[in-house]
Amino acid sequence: DTEVTQTPKHLVMGMTNKKSLKCEQHMGHRAMYWYKQKAKKPPELMFVYSYEKLSINESVPSRFSPECPNSSLLNLHLHALQPEDSALYLCASSQQGMGQPQHFGDGTRLSIL
Amino acid sequence: GNSVTQMEGPVTLSEKAFLTINCTYTATGYPSLFWYVQYPGEGLQLLLKATKADDKGSNKGFEATYRKETTSFHLEKGSVQVSDSAVYFCALGSEYGNKLVFGAGTILRVKS
Repeated sequence: DTEVTQTPKHLVMGMTNKKSLKCEQHMGHRAMYWYKQKAKKPPELMFVYSYEKLSINESVPSRFSPECPNSSLLNLHLHALQPEDSALYLCASSQQGMGQPQHFGDGTRLSIL
Repeated sequence: GNSVTQMEGPVTLSEKAFLTINCTYTATGYPSLFWYVQYPGEGLQLLLKATKADDKGSNKGFEATYRKETTSFHLEKGSVQVSDSAVYFCALGSEYGNKLVFGAGTILRVKS
């Protein structure tokens, strides 16, 4: 069982829809991450939150909008996505500081019609 | 910049065979090193880690030693099982900030 919980596990949406992905952790971690993973590829970092503030945005298109309501929750709001955005979206969390391992959820499999 | 190079797969082995997956890195400073495993339909799980030169990380029969002189962190297991079939990612933790740099991943297939 993973300690980072992501919902939903699967999501199918049209290009005009608005939806949100949710992530929750109760390990007391103060850094949280969103990654995008295409099949047979390593995860690509999208966003990093540190102490509930956005610290890294890897030039992600504005149709992806992250939100960190509190230290345990991380959301990713989706709007007007493109077919190439279909992927596995992974959330992770870690302690702050150098060399801390990240703990991943099982991801949300997103399909854009 | 920092980078990680993994051996290409897929690697196909028979059950009980010896496993080595090579990983080398390029980095400034003294990064932490990790191996993650991803089973089908799941997220990444931390398999093992090492934080300084000559550290050996180990877990579930897997081992890797942080070799600064050869900038390597090869993953080994003495006797693989069918249940070890997965994708294995070597990763480097940046000395600054919270980023991980991943290798391309190696698919392991174990046959019974």
